[in-house]
Amino acid sequence: KNEVEQSPQNLTAQEGEFITINCSYSVGISALHWLQQHPGGGIVSLFMLSSGKKKHGRLIATINIQEKHSSLHITASHPRDSAVYICAVRGTNFGNEKLTFGTGTRLTIIP
Amino acid sequence: DGGITQSPKYLFRKEGQNVTLSCEQNLNHDAMYWYRQDPGQGLRLIYYSQIVNDFQKGDIAEGYSVSREKKESFPLTVTSAQKNPTAFYLCASSYRGQRRFFGPGTRLTVL
Repeated sequence: KNEVEQSPQNLTAQEGEFITINCSYSVGISALHWLQQHPGGGIVSLFMLSSGKKKHGRLIATINIQEKHSSLHITASHPRDSAVYICAVRGTNFGNEKLTFGTGTRLTIIP
Repeated sequence: DGGITQSPKYLFRKEGQNVTLSCEQNLNHDAMYWYRQDPGQGLRLIYYSQIVNDFQKGDIAEGYSVSREKKESFPLTVTSAQKNPTAFYLCASSYRGQRRFFGPGTRLTVL
């Protein structure tokens, strides 16, 4: 079993829909990252959080440490949001610099 | 503009050859990382460096080598000992355990 599991693996939605991507992990963590990878391959860091909730524009990330679960929400989705969204965790046992990555959720927004 | 650059974008290697992938950052970050991405898998850590002239093996260091002679530069050499080097390689940097900044990636293909 992978230490970081994302769901769904693939998600297709209509423009304007509210999107939720989930990430579950099995180890104690010190931080969780949400990343966005565009078709060309470049990766952008969206959020790093260790508790509660963060918001940036139409993106919202939440984390529940007790349940070992995080969600990434996109409001008023747009075709330019189409990308692979990756969850990664920094474990308390891994050392400060190592992240364990999920395999990503491929999101496609149809106009 | 601050950021991370990687070159080349595409690289072709003949079997038995060593090749070097370049990674440069002007963000004044202390930590730099090399990741490998294969289809259907999460990113995997090859090497990381937290300070000049020091680096640590990641999860899949066999067949790779790095150097960190300057804060700005962290080149990765893929040696002939790496049996399956075809992959997408991503360089990243961060400041003291904060969010990762990623380069655009190098796609390496063995001919």
